[in-house]
Parts: sequence; C-alpha cells; structure tokens
Amino acid sequence: ETGVTQTPRHLVMGMTNKKSLKCEQHLGHNAMYWYKQSAKKPLELMFVYSLEERVENNSVPSRFSPECPNSSHLFLHLHTLQPEDSALYLCASSQDRVSIAIFFGQGTRLTVV
Amino acid sequence: QKEVEQNSGPLSVPEGAIASLNCTYSDRGSQSFFWYRQYSGKSPELIMSIYSNGDKEDGRFTAQLNKASQYVSLLIRDSQPSDSATYLCAVNRDNFNKFYFGSGTKLNVKP
Repeated sequence: ETGVTQTPRHLVMGMTNKKSLKCEQHLGHNAMYWYKQSAKKPLELMFVYSLEERVENNSVPSRFSPECPNSSHLFLHLHTLQPEDSALYLCASSQDRVSIAIFFGQGTRLTVV
Repeated sequence: QKEVEQNSGPLSVPEGAIASLNCTYSDRGSQSFFWYRQYSGKSPELIMSIYSNGDKEDGRFTAQLNKASQYVSLLIRDSQPSDSATYLCAVNRDNFNKFYFGSGTKLNVKP
C-alpha cells in the first residue's frame, strides 16, 4: 500500500458541480497538506493541517474547503469552480518537526469545464 | 522575489555525462533542503535531502549546500535517459510546516 493515496486520480467537473478530493496517508505522519500545481508554475501551498488543526490557509478562495477529520485523512471539497482552477492537486504528509521531508500522493488531475 | 528560484531549462545532457542542477533561495533562515524528481504526469518523489553545508552523496546523486551563498545544487553522475524528468528544489524554513518549492528544472538525457 502506497504511503499517501489520493482519489480520484482524474476528475472532470462542471462549474456548478460539487465534488470532493480524498487523501489518506499510511505513514504515521501528523501533518497533511494540499498543494496545487498548474502548468509552468511552482507548487502552490493551499492548506496545512497539523494534528488535525488547520495551521495555514494560503489565501485560497472559499470555493475550496478543506476538512481533516483525523491525522490520516484529508479532504478538499470543491464547489462552483472556475476553469482556471484546472490543475494537478497534490496531497502530502510529513512528521510535524523541522528537517523532515514531505511525501506526496499521486495527485488528482482536475479539469473544470 | 521568489522564495526558491531554479532555471526552468530544459537542460540537455548526453547519456553518461554529469547533469548539474542549481537552486537559490531567499530566506537565510532556511534550515532544510530537498530535491524532488517529477516525471511527466506524476507526483514529486523525494530523492535527496541535505541540512548542513557541504556535499551529501547517495549513489549517482550528490547534493551540495552553501548557506552563505544561499545555493543548493544537485549533481547526477552517469546520467541515464530514465533520469529525464523535472527536478524540484524545496526549502523548509524555520517554521516546520512551510515547504517552498521552485518551479523546477526540466532535464533531458539523450541516448
């Protein structure tokens, strides 16, 4: 079983739809992240949860709503998205202290039509 | 000023050569440095981490850190076509959960 698992791998949604991305980590980590990766741009940090508490919300529009019910699971709820929100959404986890790398899931390729 | 800067490339090297990838960062408080490899359509995969000045070797990979110059590099010896990917430099600042990524350097290793 891979360390960080994301579902679905691909998602096409209309601008009026509501969908959710799911992430699960099996590494025993206590911090989880959502990143957005658009073409030709650096990875953009969206949200960070540490011990199930949101510690970072990087000026993300409210049409993205994260949820972290426990240290192993992370969701990203999507509603009324725009075509420019089409991107690769990456979940990651780490152990909550300095010098420890983060590990990524396979990503969800989202297309908003 | 960007937190982490990398030349986007593409960097083309022949098979068997040494590929040299470079990264600079802006915050002197940065403590941890990482290189990730990302194949097209895939997620980033950690290949090296370095925390103190100097060189760190792992197989064909060597990471180099110079905190005074705020510079991190990755050398890939005996480059293989399978090394063709985008290499992301990441920096962790003194806040444990802030990881900043460069935009990546695309490496092409030609057979």
